[in-house]
Amino acid sequence: DGGITQSPKYLFRKEGQNVTLSCEQNLNHDAMYWYRQDPGQGLRLIYYSQIVNDFQKGDIAEGYSVSREKKESFPLTVTSAQKNPTAFYLCASSPRDRGSRNQPQHFGDGTRLSIL
Amino acid sequence: EDQVTQSPEALRLQEGESSSLNCSYTVSGLRGLFWYRQDPGKGPEFLFTLYSAGEEKEKERLKATLTKKESFLHITAPKPEDSATYLCAVQPTPIQGAQKLVFGQGTRLTINP
Repeated sequence: DGGITQSPKYLFRKEGQNVTLSCEQNLNHDAMYWYRQDPGQGLRLIYYSQIVNDFQKGDIAEGYSVSREKKESFPLTVTSAQKNPTAFYLCASSPRDRGSRNQPQHFGDGTRLSIL
Repeated sequence: EDQVTQSPEALRLQEGESSSLNCSYTVSGLRGLFWYRQDPGKGPEFLFTLYSAGEEKEKERLKATLTKKESFLHITAPKPEDSATYLCAVQPTPIQGAQKLVFGQGTRLTINP
């Protein structure tokens, strides 16, 4: 079945440690996105990528980094510079924006990151 | 600034008791409004896309409608399995061709048997 796979489901980070969250999709989508979800808040965009080897900062990119070396993969690194990393992280993908009547973003089942 | 507000934050209904969830938005041009359902510990699941005022979409007990300032998700005769958080997101007129969505904070719906 086509879909988005995020791993791991749960992740723990120690002080000063960088951790990487995996996101893989087999939907043949050009665009991929990373969101952060905190209790009682809407999803906030961290980074997005419209095409391989290109990505842009979203609204809350500080303390995060990404890469897009393959169409199927868009890993997110939470660096030690992110002082409040505890959250639920969601990866999404969609066809590239085509001007109107765009297809929706489809989401993975998330990674819950906690601080040890 | 583009903004989406959902109300109420939480809603508790009895099985069979119909109601509506609201999504109010202010955006610099609307390219689309999306409704998602999210179960605890899971990612959002796509329900509907609405593109223009007056448009309606239906799926089982759910019906979504759109005006120039808000969208409603009507739930008719809900069942306990409809319990979830419902998210609304809008796509403003894009900058640099990106599909950047603005999400509301969600409405947590509980249906009691």
